[in-house]
Amino acid sequence: DTAVSQTPKYLVTQMGNDKSIKCEQNLGHDTMYWYKQDSKKFLKIMFSYNNKELIINETVPNRFSPKSPDKAHLNLHINSLELGDSAVYFCASSQGLAGGLGQYFGPGTRLTVT
Amino acid sequence: AQSVAQPEDQVNVAEGNPLTVKCTYSVSGNPYLFWYVQYPNRGLQFLLKYITGDNLVKGSYGFEAEFNKSQTSFHLKKPSALVSDSALYFCAVREGTGGGNKLTFGTGTQLKVEL
Repeated sequence: DTAVSQTPKYLVTQMGNDKSIKCEQNLGHDTMYWYKQDSKKFLKIMFSYNNKELIINETVPNRFSPKSPDKAHLNLHINSLELGDSAVYFCASSQGLAGGLGQYFGPGTRLTVT
Repeated sequence: AQSVAQPEDQVNVAEGNPLTVKCTYSVSGNPYLFWYVQYPNRGLQFLLKYITGDNLVKGSYGFEAEFNKSQTSFHLKKPSALVSDSALYFCAVREGTGGGNKLTFGTGTQLKVEL
C-alpha cells in the first residue's frame, strides 16, 4: 500500500489555466506538507498543515492555495498558471510538529506549463 | 534562520570503496538533522536522523552519519559503496523546538558509484 500518494503524476497544461494536485496519506499522520522542486533539484517548502490548520506558509504567490479537508488529505490548487510554475511538487507527511521521525514523501507531480 | 550547505554537487566513487557526502548546517538552538535520498523520478526517501544521543547514527541501506557539533557537520558515510547507491542525496535541518517542523534542505549531492 502506498503511504503517501499524489495524483496526477504528470500534469501538462497551458498558461492561465487553473489546476489541482491531490495528496493522500494512509500513515495516520497529523501533519502534511507541500514542497516545490525546481529544475535544479532545489527543494523548498511551500505549506504545512497540522490537524487541518495551516502552520507554515512560505513566500508563495497567492495563486497557490492549499486545502486540507481532513488530516489524511492536503490538496494544492493553482490559479492562473505561469511558466515559472513548472516544477515537481512533492507532498509529504509526518507525525506531530516535533518531526523527530522524519517526513514521508509522495512520488511527486511533474507540472509542465506551456 | 536555519540553513544547510552541501558543498559538493557530485561525488564519484568506485564500487566497494568508502563514500562520504558532506553536509554542514546552521541553526539557533539544537538541530534536528536528516538525510534523504532521491532516486530518478521518485520522491525522497528517509535515510536517517540525528535528534539527540550518540553522535554516530545508523540508517537504512548501510548508511551512517556522524554529528559533529563543534564543526556543525553531519556527513553521510558508507563503508563500501554499491552501484545501486547512485542517487541524489539531500541533507536537511530544522530547529529542535518550535518552527512547525519546517525542514530546510541542502541543494543536494549527486552520488555516482562506478564499477
